[in-house]
Amino acid sequence: EPEVTQTPSHQVTQMGQEVILRCVPISNHLYFYWYRQILGQKVEFLVSFYNNEISEKSEIFDDQFSVERPDGSNFTLKIRSTKLEDSAMYFCASRAGTGGAEQYFGPGTRLTVT
Amino acid sequence: RKEVEQDPGPFNVPEGATVAFNCTYSNSASQSFFWYRQDCRKEPKLLMSVYSSGNEDGRFTAQLNRASQYISLLIRDSKLSDSATYLCVVRNTGGFKTIFGAGTRLFVKA
Repeated sequence: EPEVTQTPSHQVTQMGQEVILRCVPISNHLYFYWYRQILGQKVEFLVSFYNNEISEKSEIFDDQFSVERPDGSNFTLKIRSTKLEDSAMYFCASRAGTGGAEQYFGPGTRLTVT
Repeated sequence: RKEVEQDPGPFNVPEGATVAFNCTYSNSASQSFFWYRQDCRKEPKLLMSVYSSGNEDGRFTAQLNRASQYISLLIRDSKLSDSATYLCVVRNTGGFKTIFGAGTRLFVKA
C-alpha cells in the first residue's frame, strides 16, 4: 500500500538554525499539506500546496516558514530561524483529488529546538 | 467559538461497551468531514469519512447534521485496540484548510 514518508524521524537543532523537513507524498496525489502538533496539543494546519503553489496557509505559517516541491516527488518544509516554540511533531499529508478525498499522513518528524 | 469542538473526555469504558463521541463545527460552509484516530505520538489515521446520509463501517457509525453543524461517531462492541484519541476533522470549502478538533481520548478496559 502506498504511503507518505518523512525524513528525518527526529531532528534536533539549536535556536536560530535553519531546518528542512522532507516528505515524499503518495505518487499520484495532487494536494500536499504540512501540519504541526505541539506535545499534548491538537494537530494544527500550517499550509496546503497545489499546482506548485501555496493554496492556503494559517496564521502560524509566517515568513519564517516556506515550502517547496523541488523535483516532483519531494515536498519540503523549511524553517529559516528556529525558535524554541517550533519544537513539535511535523506531519506531512497528501490527498488525491478534490471534494471529499481523504488525506494520508506521514509518520512525522519530531523537531526539538534547544 | 472554536472552529471544531469535541467532547473533552477521557472516556473510560469496558470492553463490549458502546460509546459515542460528538463534535460541532462553526463554519457553515465546511465541505468535508472525517473521523481520524491517533495513537500516542503517532500520525493521525483515517477512520472514516462522514456523509450527510450517515455511514457505517463495521462497528463504527458516523452521522452528520449540517443544519446543527454537528458530527457524531458511534463505536459498538468496543475492543481494547480501540483505545486511542479520536479526532474530528473538518475541511473548508475549496478543499484546502483542514481543521482538527482537540480530540477525545478513549480508554477501553478489559
